[in-house]
Order: sequence, then C-alpha cells, then structure tokens
Amino acid sequence: NAGVMQNPRHLVRRRGQEARLRCSPMKGHSHVYWYRQLPEEGLKFMVYLQKENIIDESGMPKERFSAEFPKEGPSILRIQQVVRGDSAAYFCASSPGTVTTTEAFFGQGTRLTVV
Amino acid sequence: RKEVEQDPGPFNVPEGATVAFNCTYSNSASQSFFWYRQDCRKEPKLLMSVYSSGNEDGRFTAQLNRASQYISLLIRDSKLSDSATYLCVVNPAAGNKLTFGGGTRVLVKP
Repeated sequence: NAGVMQNPRHLVRRRGQEARLRCSPMKGHSHVYWYRQLPEEGLKFMVYLQKENIIDESGMPKERFSAEFPKEGPSILRIQQVVRGDSAAYFCASSPGTVTTTEAFFGQGTRLTVV
Repeated sequence: RKEVEQDPGPFNVPEGATVAFNCTYSNSASQSFFWYRQDCRKEPKLLMSVYSSGNEDGRFTAQLNRASQYISLLIRDSKLSDSATYLCVVNPAAGNKLTFGGGTRVLVKP
C-alpha cells in the first residue's frame, strides 16, 4: 500500500503564474487535509475534504486559493497568481476516518518557490 | 494567544540523557492529543497519541494534564537518531482537523 503521494516535490513559479499541487491519498482513505508550512514555522491547517466535498476550508486564504477532491483522481490545491509570500512547503495528509479515531498520514510535501 | 504553544528550543541533550518538554493548548474542550516528529524538511510522522491516563512507548512517555491544559513528552536514554523537531498536535472540539504547535527542536549530541 503506497503512502500519500504528492507531486511535484518541488515547484518553481514566477509571480503571477498558477501553481497546481496534487495529492493522492492512501488507498482506502477518503479524508484529505492540506497544510502549509512556512520556513521555521509550524504546519497551518488549510482545508479538509472528503470525496467531492469541501468540509472545512477555514484555513484557506479567501482569494487565489482553491481545493478540490474529485470522485476520480487526486486532490488538487490550486494557487492562482502566486506571490512571493506563497513560497512554502505544502503537505497533504489522508486518513481512513476522522482524526479523532484514526491516524493521519502525511505525504512528503510540495515545496513551492515563487521567484 | 496561539491555539497550541511550544518552546521552540533547541534542547541540546547529551546522548543517553533524559529530556522533557511541554506544550500548552488554549481550547479546554480539545478532544485528542498527539506528538508528531518531523525531521528536517520532511513530512511529519505520528510518534504517539496521548491518552488521559498517560502512556508510554519504549523510551517515550506522554502525559496529559487537562486541568492545566498541557501535554508533555519525555524521552529517556536519548539516541542520536532522536534529533528532530517534535510537534504537539491537538484536535480541537469542533471539526475534524489537527492543529499543530510550532515544534520543539531537540538535538542529541555524542
């Protein structure tokens, strides 16, 4: 059973471009979470999704950021018109149930650099 | 006040020694508590859950103090491989998400 797969591992974008980050959860996991980690800081919750539904997006910036978890295919975190402040590591996690009862497994992250 | 607060460290620990550190959380209704480990620039990995009665896993002991709203992690007989950032993680009362502290960095030296 492969772990949580994120790609690309590293992504360089110029200011104003779009960044698309992909996350394939572990087999059998229907809960997906995205977190952002700025340099020398902790992980900040962004969004929680289940198949085809956004459950909690309280950590998502109101503009330029969106996420989806379609019925088929990976979860996508999309950042439009990237700015330097978007440079960070973006981690995806998945779990088979709620995190109160099951472990969340993290992918290796996508490191976004905006130049 | 941050939801989950940790001393960033670093804690410089001689190999074989014991180290302990705490984490405080602000939401008294928080339900679940965990310690994760993060190695430099890698993904966090679950170290252990923290139960109300306290629990031990090998050289690691975790305690929960609900009255004072903190959890602790103690590492005995430290190994060089224990060098990492230890993340305190709380599941708040509302919603299904993990809230991370900023991490405590531990450096075990020969």
